[in-house]
Amino acid sequence: QVQLVDSGGGLVKPGGSLRLSCAASGFTFSDYYMSWIRQAPGKGLEWVSYISGSGSTVYYADSVKGRFTISRDNAKNSLYLQMNSLKVEDTAVYYCAKEGVAVAGSPVDYWGQGSLVTVSS
Amino acid sequence: QVVLTQSPSASASLGASVKLTCTLSSGHSGYAIAWHQQRPERGPRYLMRLYNDGSHNKGDGIPDRFSGSSSGAERYLTISSLQSEDEADYYCQTWGTGIRVFGGGTKLTVL
Repeated sequence: QVQLVDSGGGLVKPGGSLRLSCAASGFTFSDYYMSWIRQAPGKGLEWVSYISGSGSTVYYADSVKGRFTISRDNAKNSLYLQMNSLKVEDTAVYYCAKEGVAVAGSPVDYWGQGSLVTVSS
Repeated sequence: QVVLTQSPSASASLGASVKLTCTLSSGHSGYAIAWHQQRPERGPRYLMRLYNDGSHNKGDGIPDRFSGSSSGAERYLTISSLQSEDEADYYCQTWGTGIRVFGGGTKLTVL
C-alpha cells in the first residue's frame, strides 16, 4: 500500500535552514505529482509547493517563493523540501502528499504523517 | 484566484446525519474539489474527489456513510449514522495549474 514517511524536522533559529525528506513506497513514484503542505499550530492547511513526476515543473506559494526549493530523486523514491531563510511564521507541521498524474492538477490522495518544524530563537 | 469558503464549525448528534458545505468563489463553480478529514492530533486523510455534477470517487477504505453532492458553486459532504470517531476537522481542496487551495476547515462536533 501507499506509504509516505516524512523526516528532517526540528528546531532552527530564524534565518536558518532545514531540509525535509519524504520516503515514498507502494506506487510508481516517478509517475506522480507530489506536494508539500503545512499546518501552523492551531491553524488550517496551507499548500507550500508542488512538483511534477519528472521534476521539470515546480510551483510555490507566494509565502515561500525564493526561500524554499522542492526537489525529488526518482531513483530513491524520495521528495525533498530545502527551506532557507526560515522565519518564525514558518513554524508548522509539514506534510508530504501524493497527488495524481494530471498536468492540470489533481487532489491529494495520500498524506505523510508530518514533520514538525519549529523556528525560534 | 479560486477561494474555498467553509463554515468554521458544525455539530450533530450521535447516530444522526450532517451535511458540511464548501463554497467555490464566483466564476469557479465548475471546479471539482476533494474532501479531507483530520482527526484530533492526527494527519489528514483523503475522503473523496467530488465533481460539479455530484459524482464522486472515494479513497481507500472510506465507509459508505460518507457521500458527496454538488449544487452550483456548493460542494457538500454528508456523513450519515454519525459516530464519535467522525469528530474531526474537515477540509475541502481544489487545484489548478500552479495552485493548490484549501478551505479554512470545518470543525465537526459529535454530541
